[in-house]
Amino acid sequence: QKEVEQDPGPLSVPEGAIVSLNCTYSNSAFQYFMWYRQYSRKGPELLMYTYSSGNKEDGRFTAQVDKSSKYISLFIRDSQPSDSATYLCAMWSNYQLIWGAGTKLIIKP
Amino acid sequence: EADIYQTPRYLVIGTGKKITLECSQTMGHDKMYWYQQDPGMELHLIHYSYGVNSTEKGDLSSESTVSRIRTEHFPLTLESARPSHTSQYLCASSRTGYEQYFGPGTRLTVT
Repeated sequence: QKEVEQDPGPLSVPEGAIVSLNCTYSNSAFQYFMWYRQYSRKGPELLMYTYSSGNKEDGRFTAQVDKSSKYISLFIRDSQPSDSATYLCAMWSNYQLIWGAGTKLIIKP
Repeated sequence: EADIYQTPRYLVIGTGKKITLECSQTMGHDKMYWYQQDPGMELHLIHYSYGVNSTEKGDLSSESTVSRIRTEHFPLTLESARPSHTSQYLCASSRTGYEQYFGPGTRLTVT
């Protein structure tokens, strides 16, 4: 079983919709929870991260961590076609990030 | 935001050749990382470094080697390329370890 699970999608929504992207994990030792965005043929770009439980907001993006359920979410409000990309979650433990496989998001104009 | 550069961006090479993938960063980060990424798969850590003259292997078994002679430079070398090495190679740097900033990647094809 993988330590971090992420639905590969694709998730297709109309422009302006609220998007919810999720990851589940099994290792309770994870401390930092990261969200990256990756466009085709580019490197991942750090969007935001949270430490331990709780919410964090940055513009149209909100990251949420529920350590009791071992579940993290990224919400995107007022989604735009430029948000179409693969979203990767990653979690920090000891010396390395453990990655999900990514969810492909498509925002239809 | 870190400035991190990788060359070449794309490389097609024959089996048995020696190749070096270059990675440089201008942010003065001590920590640097090499990952391998295949389509639809997780990033897998193959090497990391916490500073000059410090290198470690990651969890993914790799036939590559790395060096860290200067803070800003972290090249990855494959002594004898094989078709199984075909993949995307991503370099990242970090001050904290968990906030990692990535280069654009090198897409390697071994024929």
